[in-house]
Amino acid sequence: DAKTTQPNSMESNEEEPVHLPCNHSTISGTDYIHWYRQLPSQGPEYVIHGLTSNVNNRMASLAIAEDRKSSTLILHRATLRDAAVYYCILSNNYGQNFVFGPGTRLSVLP
Amino acid sequence: EAQVTQNPRYLITVTGKKLTVTCSQNMNHEYMSWYRQDPGLGLRQIYYSMNVEVTDKGDVPEGYKVSRKEKRNFPLILESPSPNQTSLYFCASSFLDPSYNEQFFGPGTRLTVL
Repeated sequence: DAKTTQPNSMESNEEEPVHLPCNHSTISGTDYIHWYRQLPSQGPEYVIHGLTSNVNNRMASLAIAEDRKSSTLILHRATLRDAAVYYCILSNNYGQNFVFGPGTRLSVLP
Repeated sequence: EAQVTQNPRYLITVTGKKLTVTCSQNMNHEYMSWYRQDPGLGLRQIYYSMNVEVTDKGDVPEGYKVSRKEKRNFPLILESPSPNQTSLYFCASSFLDPSYNEQFFGPGTRLTVL
């Protein structure tokens, strides 16, 4: 399975943008890039996913490098509620064997 | 409301006493999966199912069984629980279409095996 690498932790100030990086140099052509987050004491929650083009939704934006070997999750204005562990995951066409790595623990400072 | 439900939410049991954790989804998803989460080890996939009667092993299947007799249900069975299966368990479901395969997770089941 293609793997991802993310920083262990990051810190941001409230109401500032946050850029969470993810490297996936062995990504295959059919792998989608997914981002999930897990708030304390909750199950993981979908954030965004994409294949080649940049994606935007109400929660975040996903910027995908042209060679697809890296991507960045962008939270446009961090809030205290965004403090969570963020996971970058690669998934093939059928979503099988969805592998969570250790993720990035994001702290948001007031 | 679209959701994944798990029962029970909390369970304390003893070694060797068979138990089942139920998982149900109301979104007509083909794909369902079980994960366990342990401190320092993150989320690890136990089993997954791509449709009724189709199941496959994830990363840590030993000591667990699953079945998928109906599309909406995917129970996790521990035939003879052991203390090393003490963990937080999550069920998830999604469509198979990669354009739509956002996984929805249940609230979790905290299992303690004494």
